[in-house]
Amino acid sequence: GAVVSQHPSWVICKSGTSVKIECRSLDFQATTMFWYRQFPKQSLMLMATSNEGSKATYEQGVEKDKFLINHASLTLSTLTVTSAHPEDSSFYICSAEGTDEYNEQFFGPGTRLTVL
Amino acid sequence: GQQLNQSPQSMFIQEGEDVSMNCTSSSIFNTWLWYKQDPGEGPVLLIALYKAGELTSNGRLTAQFGITRKDSFLNISASIPSDVGIYFCAGPINTGNQFYFGTGTSLTVIP
Repeated sequence: GAVVSQHPSWVICKSGTSVKIECRSLDFQATTMFWYRQFPKQSLMLMATSNEGSKATYEQGVEKDKFLINHASLTLSTLTVTSAHPEDSSFYICSAEGTDEYNEQFFGPGTRLTVL
Repeated sequence: GQQLNQSPQSMFIQEGEDVSMNCTSSSIFNTWLWYKQDPGEGPVLLIALYKAGELTSNGRLTAQFGITRKDSFLNISASIPSDVGIYFCAGPINTGNQFYFGTGTSLTVIP
């Protein structure tokens, strides 16, 4: 149980285009999901907290107009990188918060974004 | 974001050796988690710690939550090649449920 999927697993796009990444909790409902970004050989950096039915909460320094987050259902959150540029190339990972008392997070396999 | 400092940054060990790594923070954590990340994949939970002073094992892995709730260590006994990867500590600070990740320890096991 507690499986989180991401789609696509990797994507290459031209500079200026927008890319949508999906994060799904497959066998549980998640009112809260999180989006992380990871550059090569670096740690995961929390970008934003995605709450079902409400606006996402962004970490300091993360542009909300650049990284659009939609959490329209209890099993799906999407991250759209708008007008992507080469510096947006990174590994994007989502996680979904479990429903037990410990609020354990379950991570997706990540999406590798390369912007040419 | 909050800073969790891990040490060492990287380790190169012989197969069969024991490994120890730790994680410290200036903030109090009410939960402390250890994850392993293989290249190109998401983190996988290894051990979760919920109480100060708690010592928990998972196979060859043992982790302890510090009494002050500001530190933790992870030990791996009798390392094997598949232990290779990056190990992260993580957890929510006391005031919220946003997870922050440590700086990571890269482990290389030489057969």
